[in-house]
Amino acid sequence: EPEVTQTPSHQVTQMGQEVILRCVPISNHLYFYWYRQILGQKVEFLVSFYNNEISEKSEIFDDQFSVERPDGSNFTLKIRSTKLEDSAMYFCASDRGVEDTQYFGPGTRLTVL
Amino acid sequence: RKEVEQDPGPFNVPEGATVAFNCTYSNSASQSFFWYRQDCRKEPKLLMSVYSSGNEDGRFTAQLNRASQYISLLIRDSKLSDSATYLCVVNDNYGQNFVFGPGTRLSVLP
Repeated sequence: EPEVTQTPSHQVTQMGQEVILRCVPISNHLYFYWYRQILGQKVEFLVSFYNNEISEKSEIFDDQFSVERPDGSNFTLKIRSTKLEDSAMYFCASDRGVEDTQYFGPGTRLTVL
Repeated sequence: RKEVEQDPGPFNVPEGATVAFNCTYSNSASQSFFWYRQDCRKEPKLLMSVYSSGNEDGRFTAQLNRASQYISLLIRDSKLSDSATYLCVVNDNYGQNFVFGPGTRLSVLP
């Protein structure tokens, strides 16, 4: 069964450093997403991506964040200058289109020191 | 502004019990509804989609009441393996993003 994969599983970084979180969505999916979940809190939407551009983003997704699909398989989330409050689990998801079920990757746990 | 609300939990039930989770959503234009389960420190995994007519999958039954903007999940004959956090998820009709409820934690006890 195809699945969304993410690397690394755990990333530790110093405050102010840049991090790139990587995702490989399911191959025939068209929409890609990033969500985050701060420990003990609910899953929060960050951004959706379709046809090589951002289709929607939340207020969390400020200028420190960017997304990219550098090739036909990878989908990345970059945080330019990490803050302590960026520490969270970051989930990538993908689906085939409107109202379709989203499938989530296993997540990357980001720890900012 | 809370968009999706759920029973606060946790629910602690014995094996074999029937348990019901409730969820309400604020956006009347929402079109798609789902229940996901999330194990500790794992990703959300789809449990079932929720349709207007209601739907059942084995021991799990989901109901949707659009007029009341209410979604429910019923688990019958609960198993130890049902222990998880159950997430009510709503897809805003005007966007692609999922809006997650805070989740209700279930512990099924032997």
